[in-house]
Amino acid sequence: GDSVTQMEGPVTLSEEAFLTINCTYTATGYPSLFWYVQYPGEGLQLLLKATKADDKGSNKGFEATYRKETTSFHLEKGSVQVSDSAVYFCALSGSGAGNNRKLIWGLGTSLAVNP
Amino acid sequence: KAGVTQTPRYLIKTRGQQVTLSCSPISGHRSVSWYQQTPGQGLQFLFEYFSETQRNKGNFPGRFSGRQFSNSRSEMNVSTLELGDSALYLCASSLDRLDGNYGYTFGSGTRLTVV
Repeated sequence: GDSVTQMEGPVTLSEEAFLTINCTYTATGYPSLFWYVQYPGEGLQLLLKATKADDKGSNKGFEATYRKETTSFHLEKGSVQVSDSAVYFCALSGSGAGNNRKLIWGLGTSLAVNP
Repeated sequence: KAGVTQTPRYLIKTRGQQVTLSCSPISGHRSVSWYQQTPGQGLQFLFEYFSETQRNKGNFPGRFSGRQFSNSRSEMNVSTLELGDSALYLCASSLDRLDGNYGYTFGSGTRLTVV
């Protein structure tokens, strides 16, 4: 079945460092891909998404490119801030109705940014 | 506009009891999904409701059930609670788009502790 694999954390960086969180997926068809972020004590927030190959999602300085050839959707940010400390989840969903509509999640990657 | 509202935020129950959690989606959103989040298993899909009908279901035992009302508010119920049911239960609402290009808006969750 469909699955998402994320790099394990925790990831610890200094402020202004470059961030990459790897995400690869296995899916039939052409899924949509998402990054969600969960700040301490809060629910999940959609960070960015991409719905077809070569699409780039971006938001708040974060970017991820839908790479069908490598089945990847790596999250990047050029200069992280302390406020980016959170848990980041990669997820996919199918493109049709029925069972494809549920989100399949990675296990999450915890990011801690030190001043 | 108001976000997704989940009540209560925290709950402590005893093994064998039952519990009901509530979720009010964003106004206009007709789809409501429920997820269980635990440190060991990550995020797991419970079920999805649309227009008062369960449209999709995850791999959870029959002790987990839900429903959706005509105003799109949803409840989930867990009967005969077990220690392993301790988790953060997240509700998400979305517009119903058939092309898969959608994102969920999550509530802050209900933290259930079973003792």
